[in-house]
Amino acid sequence: AQSVTQPDIHITVSEGASLELRCNYSYGATPYLFWYVQSPGQGLQLLLKYFSGDTLVQGIKGFEAEFKRSQSSFNLRKPSVHWSDAAEYFCAVVNNQGGKLIFGQGTELSVKP
Amino acid sequence: EPEVTQTPSHQVTQMGQEVILRCVPISNHLYFYWYRQILGQKVEFLVSFYNNEISEKSEIFDDQFSVERPDGSNFTLKIRSTKLEDSAMYFCASSEKGKGSRETQYFGPGTRLLVL
Repeated sequence: AQSVTQPDIHITVSEGASLELRCNYSYGATPYLFWYVQSPGQGLQLLLKYFSGDTLVQGIKGFEAEFKRSQSSFNLRKPSVHWSDAAEYFCAVVNNQGGKLIFGQGTELSVKP
Repeated sequence: EPEVTQTPSHQVTQMGQEVILRCVPISNHLYFYWYRQILGQKVEFLVSFYNNEISEKSEIFDDQFSVERPDGSNFTLKIRSTKLEDSAMYFCASSEKGKGSRETQYFGPGTRLLVL
């Protein structure tokens, strides 16, 4: 069965530090992968997506993610975190047969001044 | 930029009551979805809807749930007789295309439902 695992429930980083949020997926075929962000009281906003081609994808707000098929991973990175990046981040894979999104547990990011 | 909207933002109801959650998808989108997130848990798929019928539904989406597109703009989720365990954040999403397609789903801000 398809699944997405985000091993880190909560991460705290200092403002200006680099960030990497981990995501591992289980999917038999070529996955379509997404990262969404949820700020308090807000909906889920798409950060970036991977469908095919270049395995390093750029998103909004300075985020990027790298698809590594050999590791079944799609980790999210940002070179320098801003206080406004504090939010919950969700990795998801789409079921190509049905179109539904399968989400990971989410990683809550806190940013220290 | 077009966005998905949802009303109400919060709803408190008594167990056994019916609730209707409303969504206005992005206007040119054809596929609609409901997801829910119980506090502290994953976002879970409930149902997808296309061409005025359900495309797929999860095990959660039992006979107590129904969806409807009553007019050209609204997409609703009805829970007929709410249970305590229905308390969750409910998200509506829409995409231009859906099944088998490389389409992004755009989410609304959610409705927080509390069943007492």
